[in-house]
Amino acid sequence: SQTIHQWPATLVQPVGSPLSLECTVEGTSNPNLYWYRQAAGRGLQLLFYSVGIGQISSEVPQNLSASRPQDRQFILSSKKLLLSDSGFYLCAWSRLAGYNEQFFGPGTRLTVL
Amino acid sequence: AQSVTQLGSHVSVSEGALVLLRCNYSSSVPPYLFWYVQYPNQGLQLLLKYTSAATLVKGINGFEAEFKKSETSFHLTKPSAHMSDAAEYFCAVSDRISNFGNEKLTFGTGTRLTIIP
Repeated sequence: SQTIHQWPATLVQPVGSPLSLECTVEGTSNPNLYWYRQAAGRGLQLLFYSVGIGQISSEVPQNLSASRPQDRQFILSSKKLLLSDSGFYLCAWSRLAGYNEQFFGPGTRLTVL
Repeated sequence: AQSVTQLGSHVSVSEGALVLLRCNYSSSVPPYLFWYVQYPNQGLQLLLKYTSAATLVKGINGFEAEFKKSETSFHLTKPSAHMSDAAEYFCAVSDRISNFGNEKLTFGTGTRLTIIP
């Protein structure tokens, strides 16, 4: 069976500090990978998605970047955090060929102070 | 372009009453449709999906949804609400054509379901 991991689960960072969130998927190969953000009381915002190693598509211009150094690893980064980067970050994966259903990780709660 | 509208950002029902969460979609091609549930501080969990096999789809936790093409709707229902159903629910749509650059889901803004004891 497939599992998706995210870490850390919670993070409190000062404004201007760097960020690295990691997502890994087990039990599948060549997944599509996604990063979403949920601001407090708001819906899902797609940040980045990737259909293969080194292939990153950005949905919204912002202070964040993503990388996919390995087939089942997806990293969300920032060089300098802003207050507006606070939120709940979700990683998801989907099969390369299928019904496009996505499977979500447990999320990372980021608070920027 | 595809879109999803969830009517009602907050819905409250009494324990044991019918749950009805509304979702209308817009898609240029026959869609795949999904309902997800999110409990506080957790990721999204797939409740059910419509992929054209049957218009009435049964999911986990006693939920079901009916695809109505004429109404472009995919409403989520449960005959009898339970306290554990309190959560946020998201409807999502995907075009059936799956090729590079079209592997995304479009999510609704979510409906927060409250169960009244």
